[in-house]
Amino acid sequence: AQRVTQPEKLLSVFKGAPVELKCNYSYSGSPELFWYVQYSRQRLQLLLRHISRESIKGFTADLNKGETSFHLKKPFAQEEDSAMYYCALSERSGGYQKVTFGTGTKLQVIP
Amino acid sequence: EADIYQTPRYLVIGTGKKITLECSQTMGHDKMYWYQQDPGMELHLIHYSYGVNSTEKGDLSSESTVSRIRTEHFPLTLESARPSHTSQYLCASSETRSPSTGELFFGEGSRLTVL
Repeated sequence: AQRVTQPEKLLSVFKGAPVELKCNYSYSGSPELFWYVQYSRQRLQLLLRHISRESIKGFTADLNKGETSFHLKKPFAQEEDSAMYYCALSERSGGYQKVTFGTGTKLQVIP
Repeated sequence: EADIYQTPRYLVIGTGKKITLECSQTMGHDKMYWYQQDPGMELHLIHYSYGVNSTEKGDLSSESTVSRIRTEHFPLTLESARPSHTSQYLCASSETRSPSTGELFFGEGSRLTVL
């Protein structure tokens, strides 16, 4: 069964410091991985997906199949990055999209 | 504007009452989902639907039921609410077209408290 692990419940960093939110997964097939973000009083929304290999709001995430990881990184944290971040793994199962979420990491950027 | 709407946002209700959480989307998506999330915990899929008249149970067992009579509408019902049902319920939808981006679009959530 697929599983997503986010080992840190809370990550506190100072403004301007680098950020790395960890995500490890277990999945037997070819994974499709995402990072979702939830800012205070806002809905959960997609931040980025691994197949796009894009940088959103300065965040990047590289899929490492050898280490089964999909860590989210940003070189310089901003106060507005404070939010809950969820790593998610998606697979197609019988015609529907089965998405498994991690427990989330709260990022707190200290001014 | 294309969006996904959930009502009520907050509901406090007594044990034994019947409740319905509404979810509607104007995204044109066929697939819809209900997730349950306790504070600080992961999201658990409790129901999903491929389209009209299609409903399936998710990974987490739930006493709630759902219906999909219209494409845009996916309500969740609890016939007799209990304190153990206290949680946040998130509705989501996704595209059908292939290749799908796999992205889920979420509503703002319904926070249910059963006294």
